Amino acid sequence: EPEVTQTPSHQVTQMGQEVILRCVPISNHLYFYWYRQILGQKVEFLVSFYNNEISEKSEIFDDQFSVERPDGSNFTLKIRSTKLEDSAMYFCASTIQGLIYGYTFGSGTRLTVV
Amino acid sequence: RKEVEQDPGPFNVPEGATVAFNCTYSNSASQSFFWYRQDCRKEPKLLMSVYSSGNEDGRFTAQLNRASQYISLLIRDSKLSDSATYLCVVTTYNNNDMRFGAGTRLTVKP
Repeated sequence: EPEVTQTPSHQVTQMGQEVILRCVPISNHLYFYWYRQILGQKVEFLVSFYNNEISEKSEIFDDQFSVERPDGSNFTLKIRSTKLEDSAMYFCASTIQGLIYGYTFGSGTRLTVV
Repeated sequence: RKEVEQDPGPFNVPEGATVAFNCTYSNSASQSFFWYRQDCRKEPKLLMSVYSSGNEDGRFTAQLNRASQYISLLIRDSKLSDSATYLCVVTTYNNNDMRFGAGTRLTVKP
């Protein structure tokens, strides 16, 4: 069964550093997403990406965050100048057409900011 | 009102029990609805879509009431392996992305 692949599985970074979280969506999917989940809390929407541009973003997704699909396969989330409160599990998801099929999630990257 | 609200749980039930989870959503324009399952420290996995007419998948039955903006999930004959957090998921007003409920935790005990 096709998978969404995320790397690394765990990243520890110092406050103020930049991190890039990587995702390889399922190859024929067209819509891409980043969600985050702070430990013990709910899954929160960050950003959706379609046709090589952001289609929607949440209030969490401020200037500190950016996304890119540099080569047609990878889908990255960059967090500039990380803060302690950025510590969370970050999930990438993709879908052919979400309305019908729902999303397939990657196994996540656990980001720990120290 | 929260976009998606779920029974807070936790639900602790014996094996073989029937358990039901409820969910309400605030956006009347939402078009698609799903139940996801999330195991501890794992990614959400799609359990089933929820259709207007209601749908069943083995021991799982999902219902949608658009008038009341209410979704339910019924699990019959609970198994130990059903222990997880169940997430109610609803598409947004423009249906570009999904919003998650906080989840209902289920523990099935022997």
